[in-house]
Formats: sequence, structure tokens, C-alpha cells
Amino acid sequence: QVQLVESGGGVVQPGRSLRLSCEVSGFTFPDYGMHWVRQAPGKGLEWVAVIWHDGSEKYYTDSVKGRFTISRDNSRNTLYLQMNTLRVEDTAIYYCARSALGVFDQWGQGILVSVSS
Amino acid sequence: DIQMTQSPSSLSASIGDRVTITCQASQDINNFLSWYQQRPGKAPKLLIHDSSNLEAGVPSRFSGSGSGTHFTFTINSLQPEDIATYYCQQYHDLFTFGPGTKVDL
Repeated sequence: QVQLVESGGGVVQPGRSLRLSCEVSGFTFPDYGMHWVRQAPGKGLEWVAVIWHDGSEKYYTDSVKGRFTISRDNSRNTLYLQMNTLRVEDTAIYYCARSALGVFDQWGQGILVSVSS
Repeated sequence: DIQMTQSPSSLSASIGDRVTITCQASQDINNFLSWYQQRPGKAPKLLIHDSSNLEAGVPSRFSGSGSGTHFTFTINSLQPEDIATYYCQQYHDLFTFGPGTKVDL
């Protein structure tokens, strides 16, 4: 069955970096675009970034441009999110999600990132 | 950027009730709209895509309609397991979620 498993979260001080991973199984990873979506405590869903199936295109929400980088390794079936210069407002549960024509049809269980001094 | 609004932000209903949520886009998104259900402490789940297409395995009491800027999501005969927050999401120009509608009893 389809599985997406995030890892790499934790507590980090403002200004520091963290890299999230999302290892997938149960489907042909190179066939799909992939996203990161986050949810601050008690808040709604916020789309963060997308990467095309072959890595050729990447797009970000404005608040993370220049600080976050989405990437993928199709040989390892793994999606990444490199998060630099973290801010308190980046505190959230981060979900990876599979995209089929823009529709988020499979989600991971989420991983908590807490930015605090 | 396309902005999404939802109403109401929350509602209380009884088992068996019909529940309707509306979603409005700040510009024409054709029918590039999905609906997601998020139960407490869980990841979101896709229910409907392309405004009205029910995802495989989703109960038929869920339905969606609309095109352009105005969309509607309906639960016919609310069940206990439907207690959740529901989000609309546009994918016409990048991706934007609505603020969510919390449904409880």
C-alpha cells in the first residue's frame, strides 16, 4: 500500500537549520509531483512547496522563499525539505503529500517542527 | 495570488442532518478545486477533486459542486465519523487552502 513517512523534525532555535525527509513506498515515485504542506498549532493547512516529478520545477509559498529548498532523490524514493534561517512562525506539523494533477491524494502522518529559543 | 474563503468557519449539527459548506475563490479557478477532511490529530484526506468528483472509497453522502469562483460541499445525513474540519483547496494557480470549516455535534 501507499506509504509516506516523514522524519527529521524536532526542536530547533531560531536562525538554525533543519532538513526533513519523506520516504515513500507503494507507488512509482518518479511519476508524481510532491509537496510539503504545514499546519501551525491550532491553525489551518498551508501549502509550502512543490517539486515536479522529475525535479525540473520547484515553487514555494512567499513566506519561505529564499529560506527553504525542496528536493528529491528518485533513486531513493525520498523527498526533502531543507529549512534554513528558521523562525518561530515556522513552528508546525509538516506533511509531505503526493500530487496527481494538483490534487493531494496521499499524505504522510506529519512531523513536528518546533522553533523556539 | 488566489485567496480562498470558506463559510461558515464552524457549525454544529445533529446526526442525520444535511451540512453545507461554501468556498469562494478570489478569481476564476474553473473547476480546479478539491475538498479534504481532517479528523483531529490526523492527516488530511482527499474527498473530492475537480469540484465534484468523489474520490474512490469515499461515501456517497459527500458531494461537491460549483465552478468559477463559488463552490459548495455537502454532507447528506451527517454521521458521527464525519466530525472533522473540512478544507477546500484550489490548484488552478499554484495551491491555496481555504481556512477550514469545523463540523461538530
